[in-house]
Amino acid sequence: GENVEQHPSTLSVQEGDSAVIKCTYSDSASNYFPWYKQELGKGPQLIIDIRSNVGEKKDQRIAVTLNKTAKHFSLHITETQPEDSAVYFCAAPSRAAGNKLTFGGGTRVLVKP
Amino acid sequence: NAGVMQNPRHLVRRRGQEARLRCSPMKGHSHVYWYRQLPEEGLKFMVYLQKENIIDESGMPKERFSAEFPKEGPSILRIQQVVRGDSAAYFCASSLTAGTGNEQYFGPGTRLTVT
Repeated sequence: GENVEQHPSTLSVQEGDSAVIKCTYSDSASNYFPWYKQELGKGPQLIIDIRSNVGEKKDQRIAVTLNKTAKHFSLHITETQPEDSAVYFCAAPSRAAGNKLTFGGGTRVLVKP
Repeated sequence: NAGVMQNPRHLVRRRGQEARLRCSPMKGHSHVYWYRQLPEEGLKFMVYLQKENIIDESGMPKERFSAEFPKEGPSILRIQQVVRGDSAAYFCASSLTAGTGNEQYFGPGTRLTVT
């Protein structure tokens, strides 16, 4: 099955700086890569995703890049703000029916004002 | 358009009791997934259901756990004879389709505490 590794596990940045989170996956057939943001006591919120027919996707201060050859994808947050503080998870689907998601271990991001 | 709804949000059970967790998918979604999150860990897939059918239960323990998604009403995750190790946050997600690249939207979760 799919195996997803996520780094770093914690990330502390100064407000206004950029944050980068990296994930690798094992199944070369995977073709959809979502990112979720989870705030304390809440459910994961889908913030951006990328499909394998594109290498990069951007939505305001958030961007995701995908390297299918190397089997890794990254989340970039620019001009970080205190409200970006949360745990971020990458995920990849399995080829099983329904495309259940396999999640990375999460990155706890702290934006210091 | 309401999102995924889960209840209860918090549930406390003594060892040996039963826990019933409910999930109502987003309007128009007929695919439901249950995930479990242990403290300080990522989410782990448990089971995938469509209306009246269990499609993939490969992540669900064989004993004490069951799930259903009836024709009418919410999806139910049932844990019988709970043990302390069942304490976790249980999240439900729903999607419009089951194909490649189906976006899954999560509910707020049910936090189960077993005393």
